Amino acid sequence: SQQGEEDPQALSIQEGENATMNCSYKTSINNLQWYRQNSGRGLVHLILIRSNEREKHSGRLRVTLDTSKKSSSLLITASRAADTASYFCAKEEGGTSYGKLTFGQGTILTVHP
Amino acid sequence: DAGVIQSPRHEVTEMGQEVTLRCKPISGHDYLFWYRQTMMRGLELLIYFNNNVPIDDSGMPEDRFSAKMPNASFSTLKIQPSEPRDSAVYFCASSQTSSGELFFGEGSRLTVL
Repeated sequence: SQQGEEDPQALSIQEGENATMNCSYKTSINNLQWYRQNSGRGLVHLILIRSNEREKHSGRLRVTLDTSKKSSSLLITASRAADTASYFCAKEEGGTSYGKLTFGQGTILTVHP
Repeated sequence: DAGVIQSPRHEVTEMGQEVTLRCKPISGHDYLFWYRQTMMRGLELLIYFNNNVPIDDSGMPEDRFSAKMPNASFSTLKIQPSEPRDSAVYFCASSQTSSGELFFGEGSRLTVL
């Protein structure tokens, strides 16, 4: 089964609004990453946050990590129609899983112009 | 850099036929991953290599699947014999280091009739 549940499964907003997606996981992690996938394309890396970090920013993206709650969130501010895509969190689990990423089911984001 | 290159982009075959998917990782990347994506199961890690050596193949569904990496610039994923339930998009990804971001190819969409 996939590590990490994401919610919501789908999110529909208007251009200019903020979008928040959440990801939960079950085991300890080394790092957590967020990826974006446009329809019919490969995944593109957005942000990596390590287990000892709590927040990272990249442009209009903000990622938080709460290891006590085993959860992460991705915030996209001032969304644009071009942000329409599926967003996935991926976890590198601790222990012997070094280098192995497991993906959540993803959130489908639709931004209406 | 051309990115991760996968071929073919689309493959339609009949049940029982052999399928070979190919991947050229980004030069200098030591890690190579094969993922499978379906609507039902999401993104599943099949196998990954480090310096051409398979590290974890626990995600390979069954003996019909095999993967090789004869050198640092080429990997294959073979399905023999193929079955309709193998229909999916197969992604190859490479990474420069463990715990780093993955660079995905555009995927190979396989349809087994």
